[in-house]
Amino acid sequence: SQELEQSPQSLIVQEGKNLTINCTSSKTLYGLYWYKQKYGEGLIFLMMLQKGGEEKSHEKITAKLDEKKQQSSLHITASQPSHAGIYLCGAAVNNDMRFGAGTRLTVKP
Amino acid sequence: DGGITQSPKYLFRKEGQNVTLSCEQNLNHDAMYWYRQDPGQGLRLIYYSQIVNDFQKGDIAEGYSVSREKKESFPLTVTSAQKNPTAFYLCASSILPRSEAFFGQGTRLTVV
Repeated sequence: SQELEQSPQSLIVQEGKNLTINCTSSKTLYGLYWYKQKYGEGLIFLMMLQKGGEEKSHEKITAKLDEKKQQSSLHITASQPSHAGIYLCGAAVNNDMRFGAGTRLTVKP
Repeated sequence: DGGITQSPKYLFRKEGQNVTLSCEQNLNHDAMYWYRQDPGQGLRLIYYSQIVNDFQKGDIAEGYSVSREKKESFPLTVTSAQKNPTAFYLCASSILPRSEAFFGQGTRLTVV
């Protein structure tokens, strides 16, 4: 079955610093989704990537899908306390969606 | 406003009882999903449904049951057969299988 591995599991950064979260798949990805979750709440959709080499940005968050479509990265520039939360990558598998274990991001003011 | 609503937000269950978690969406989405999230873990798929009156088991379906009698509703029953039901449950829907999923706010179930 498709497995998504995220790294790191947790990340603590000083406000203003850049950071990168990775998501690696055991199989070719045909749709890769990034979500953000605040503790005890639902997931908020951030971005979707489908094509090899694709890159999307929203405000200070940029996501990329590599050419082989087996790895994606999420990059946050000049982090802010509002970026804190859990970031999860998800992938379409057959007719459902599977997720990585998540990366817990803490931003210290 | 369109969205997906889960209720209740918090639920307490005595051992041996069945409980049903509600999930309603007014997005006109065909596909709906139930996930379980445990502390420090990602989302694990319990059940999913691509269309009314049809649903499929996910990775951890044992001890759970669902129904999909209406397009907008996908309730999850946690039965007494589920040995460790305390968890955070998330419902999601998407316009098509494999497309972007929208999530509810979750239900936290605690066995007392």
